[in-house]
Amino acid sequence: IAGITQAPTSQILAAGRRMTLRCTQDMRHNAMYWYRQDLGLGLRLIHYSNTAGTTGKGEVPDGYSVSRANTDDFPLTLASAVPSQTSVYFCASSDSGFTSSGANVLTFGAGSRLTVL
Amino acid sequence: GDSVTQMEGPVTLSEEAFLTINCTYTATGYPSLFWYVQYPGEGLQLLLKATKADDKGSNKGFEATYRKETTSFHLEKGSVQVSDSAVYFCALSDPYAGGTSYGKLTFGQGTILTVHP
Repeated sequence: IAGITQAPTSQILAAGRRMTLRCTQDMRHNAMYWYRQDLGLGLRLIHYSNTAGTTGKGEVPDGYSVSRANTDDFPLTLASAVPSQTSVYFCASSDSGFTSSGANVLTFGAGSRLTVL
Repeated sequence: GDSVTQMEGPVTLSEEAFLTINCTYTATGYPSLFWYVQYPGEGLQLLLKATKADDKGSNKGFEATYRKETTSFHLEKGSVQVSDSAVYFCALSDPYAGGTSYGKLTFGQGTILTVHP
């Protein structure tokens, strides 16, 4: 089934540890995104990539890094996890980062629930 | 900057009741507007969209009309079902936001809908 695969589904992590959340899409979409979802705050953009080899910062990039070595994969790394990074993380992709109508429709993965203790 | 404000939740309704979830926005230019739905344990999926003023998006019995004069995009359904229980997110994509053309979606905080039999 075409779509986005995220791993792990859920993880409990000690503060200070390094963690990489994986995201793979099989739709050959150019653009990919990482959002975090927190109660009462909706979804906030962490990092994005318009195309393989490029990345950019979103609203809340501090403490996170990404890479885009190829079209399909967009891992999110927490170099040294802190409790405030406890959240549900969603990877998403879209066919193009920008269209003339601005109607950029995103496809989301099922999410990765991360708890930092 | 761009922002989206949704009505406070949670919303609890009986089956076949009328649903309205209010959404208003602030944007620099002429955004596209979206409603995404998140069913329990799943990622977000597009419910409907509208790309210009007075457009009406519709899907699965849900409707929303892009009202530029009131900067609103309220979600409505005439008769809800138990299966509509989910979290609903209003979002916008502003191609003129900050001059950065990456199709960034700005989300509201989400509204939890519970429908009882």
